Amino acid sequence: KNEVEQSPQNLTAQEGEFITINCSYSVGISALHWLQQHPGGGIVSLFMLSSGKKKHGRLIATINIQEKHSSLHITASHPRDSAVYICAVRPRGGADGLTFGKGTHLIIQP
Amino acid sequence: NAGVTQTPKFRILKIGQSMTLQCTQDMNHNYMYWYRQDPGMGLKLIYYSVGAGITDKGEVPNGYNVSRSTTEDFPLRLELAAPSQTSVYFCASNLQGDEKLFFGSGTQLSVL
Repeated sequence: KNEVEQSPQNLTAQEGEFITINCSYSVGISALHWLQQHPGGGIVSLFMLSSGKKKHGRLIATINIQEKHSSLHITASHPRDSAVYICAVRPRGGADGLTFGKGTHLIIQP
Repeated sequence: NAGVTQTPKFRILKIGQSMTLQCTQDMNHNYMYWYRQDPGMGLKLIYYSVGAGITDKGEVPNGYNVSRSTTEDFPLRLELAAPSQTSVYFCASNLQGDEKLFFGSGTQLSVL
């Protein structure tokens, strides 16, 4: 069974700190998604990765396929980054839906 | 483009009632999905569709039905609501399975 584990579950940091959120999964995948869920509940896609590294503004996502691990980094964190960050994977050769982690609840204090 | 439009945003049902959650996308996406999100848990796939006329069960399909008569619409039907179906429901879509996902705003459903 495919498992997706995220760490930490909760993270509180000060504005300006460098943030790292980790995601580990147990089976071969065709894609990994990082999502952001706002306090109001809406979900937006941040990145989709199948290899290497992607950067968008202050957000960086990396994936190591051999180690079955991905990280999401936030540089120069800001209170508006406070949200739940969710990792999800699409198992290779499996059904077309994603398997989701439980999310990391991030709070950035001013 | 409106993206993925999901209605209603909130609903309270009595046990045994029926309802349909509506989902429409205007991006000509082939793939559409219904997920539920329970407190402290990751999203779970209920049903998905890879194109008009094609639907398939996900991880937690019991108590739900779907149809996909057009590319744009993917309604989710609850026939006999049960308290275990109290959850937040999200519709999502993408062009192909390994493409960026677009989510609706969610439906908070309570069954009492």
